[in-house]
Amino acid sequence: AQSVTQLGSHVSVSEGALVLLRCNYSSSVPPYLFWYVQYPNQGLQLLLKYTSAATLVKGINGFEAEFKKSETSFHLTKPSAHMSDAAEYFCAVRGSTLGRLYFGRGTQLTVWP
Amino acid sequence: DAGVIQSPRHEVTEMGQEVTLRCKPISGHDYLFWYRQTMMRGLELLIYFNNNVPIDDSGMPEDRFSAKMPNASFSTLKIQPSEPRDSAVYFCASSQTSGRTHEQFFGPGTRLTVL
Repeated sequence: AQSVTQLGSHVSVSEGALVLLRCNYSSSVPPYLFWYVQYPNQGLQLLLKYTSAATLVKGINGFEAEFKKSETSFHLTKPSAHMSDAAEYFCAVRGSTLGRLYFGRGTQLTVWP
Repeated sequence: DAGVIQSPRHEVTEMGQEVTLRCKPISGHDYLFWYRQTMMRGLELLIYFNNNVPIDDSGMPEDRFSAKMPNASFSTLKIQPSEPRDSAVYFCASSQTSGRTHEQFFGPGTRLTVL
């Protein structure tokens, strides 16, 4: 079975501070993992994806995530937060059933000036 | 490419009325997904299609909800009759098998308000 757990439904950081959003997954098959971002009143858009190549994946807007098989984790980080990063972030894992992704509950990121 | 297109963007209706949401997936994509997003329940998968065939509709809340995909470029999600608890943002997404990673591309959503 596949599932995703995002620790912390809300994360607040100051502008310029490190952003760390946590994601742990469960998968019965080699996982493909994704981070999506949702800005207010918009659909989800892909930030980055892990597809069994490099374990450190770089995405758009300065975000990156590291796949750690031993910890079943795929945490999202950004060295320095910007006000424009305020959004909701979703972690997802590809299921064993072709096509389907399993999404976490999301983490709302607030960035304080 | 224009991306996934959804219409309408906003819909306000009264309880008991029929509501039809529409989606045009990205050309060449063979999977189509319908999601519902609410504050209480988060992002829920309602149903998905592969090559126009429904694969899993276990997320459809009840018989008032139905979805069709008559061809590769069009899908509808219908609610009849609508109820206030159906108020949510409904997203359509598509993906393609040939990409193998199955990343999904989301539309902008339809915000449904049932009074």
